[in-house]
Amino acid sequence: DVKVTQSSRYLVKRTGEKVFLECVQDMDHENMFWYRQDPGLGLRLIYFSYDVKMKEKGDIPEGYSVSREKKERFSLILESASTNQTSMYLCASKVAGEVIYTGELFFGEGSRLTVL
Amino acid sequence: DQQVKQNSPSLSVQEGRISILNCDYTNSMFDYFLWYKKYPAEGPTFLISISSIKDKNEDGRFTVFLNKSAKHLSLHIVPSQPGDSAVYFCAGGEYGNKLVFGAGTILRVKS
Repeated sequence: DVKVTQSSRYLVKRTGEKVFLECVQDMDHENMFWYRQDPGLGLRLIYFSYDVKMKEKGDIPEGYSVSREKKERFSLILESASTNQTSMYLCASKVAGEVIYTGELFFGEGSRLTVL
Repeated sequence: DQQVKQNSPSLSVQEGRISILNCDYTNSMFDYFLWYKKYPAEGPTFLISISSIKDKNEDGRFTVFLNKSAKHLSLHIVPSQPGDSAVYFCAGGEYGNKLVFGAGTILRVKS
């Protein structure tokens, strides 16, 4: 069974703290993604990685960075957390190449981050 | 610029009836569309997809209709069940490019 695992389900951090969100997939997928989900805004892409050590900015990269040192692991980093980064963070992965007409993205269960 | 819009934030339906969730898009280059379902405290899971060359795709109780001229798609759930209560996200994408998601519609199926 395919699995995307996010290390922390719930985190509470203080403004200015550095935050690491970890994601591991066991499907040997090339592509990995970080989204945030906010009410009324849906899922917005922060960063994605199409291969090890490769990364590209998504729609809302400001205040975030990422790391992909190994194929199975994709980390999201908040260098200095702010209250407007309170959100649900979702990691996803998929195979590279042409999209087929199936469930393209496999999501983790999400990490609920609260910044005080 | 919202390329994918789900204009109904919520929908309430009686068990056994049809649920119709709507989605509009602006990018005529989208090659495919997907619907995802999300329960609270869980990640979204894939539900059903449709290619832009088709106008209908069916999978059990779920059917997605695509009207390219109107840039509109809809998800029909028949019959609706209480377990269908969730947030439904519509997404569109071009081959080789990233998916664009709508804001989601909360479906409540009342028993």
